[in-house]
Amino acid sequence: GAGVSQSPRYKVAKRGQDVALRCDPISGHVSLFWYQQALGQGPEFLTYFQNEAQLDKSGLPSDRFFAERPEGSVSTLKIQRTQQEDSAVYLCASRPAMGRDSYEQYFGPGTRLTVT
Amino acid sequence: AQSVTQLGSHVSVSEGALVLLRCNYSSSVPPYLFWYVQYPNQGLQLLLKYTTGATLVKGINGFEAEFKKSETSFHLTKPSAHMSDAAEYFCAVSYTGGFKTIFGAGTRLFVKA
Repeated sequence: GAGVSQSPRYKVAKRGQDVALRCDPISGHVSLFWYQQALGQGPEFLTYFQNEAQLDKSGLPSDRFFAERPEGSVSTLKIQRTQQEDSAVYLCASRPAMGRDSYEQYFGPGTRLTVT
Repeated sequence: AQSVTQLGSHVSVSEGALVLLRCNYSSSVPPYLFWYVQYPNQGLQLLLKYTTGATLVKGINGFEAEFKKSETSFHLTKPSAHMSDAAEYFCAVSYTGGFKTIFGAGTRLFVKA
């Protein structure tokens, strides 16, 4: 079956450019998460959606980061005026709403962003 | 506040030897605990999880972990390492009714022939 997909897999941006990263969660998964994984580190929480509602965005590092999920399925993470410190792998994960596996997150392959 | 500490950023074992990856957590409420594995250029894959019930949890690929509340630990073990086990392993904690998952910094496992 289809898992979580992310695009693009790799993105090189010049400092100051805007980027948009896409996440297609598993069909029917209510919850969607974005994480930032710096080199050699574990994933750090960025933001969380339940359906189309963004319930927590406390992990977004600055107001240059913006995420949306307008129809409760596909999500986009946008970074404006990219900086070198934004270079990282951005992971998306989705989770079912209920049931025994409701605490298990299913991760996409990530988008590796390099800001030059 | 919740946190996860993984002891040892790198662990090296010989093929066939015991694998032990250490994880300690702090949580003010009963935790849900996870181990994920990440292969190069791939996302995280769940190895095993503890939510409630039996404290010894078995996962995929022969891995298991034991939740020890008194020690606030959730160490990952495998009796016999295989070359294909070489990867990055992440311990993570969440909690009942919550949605945030806090990850440790990861432990890279090397398996020597």
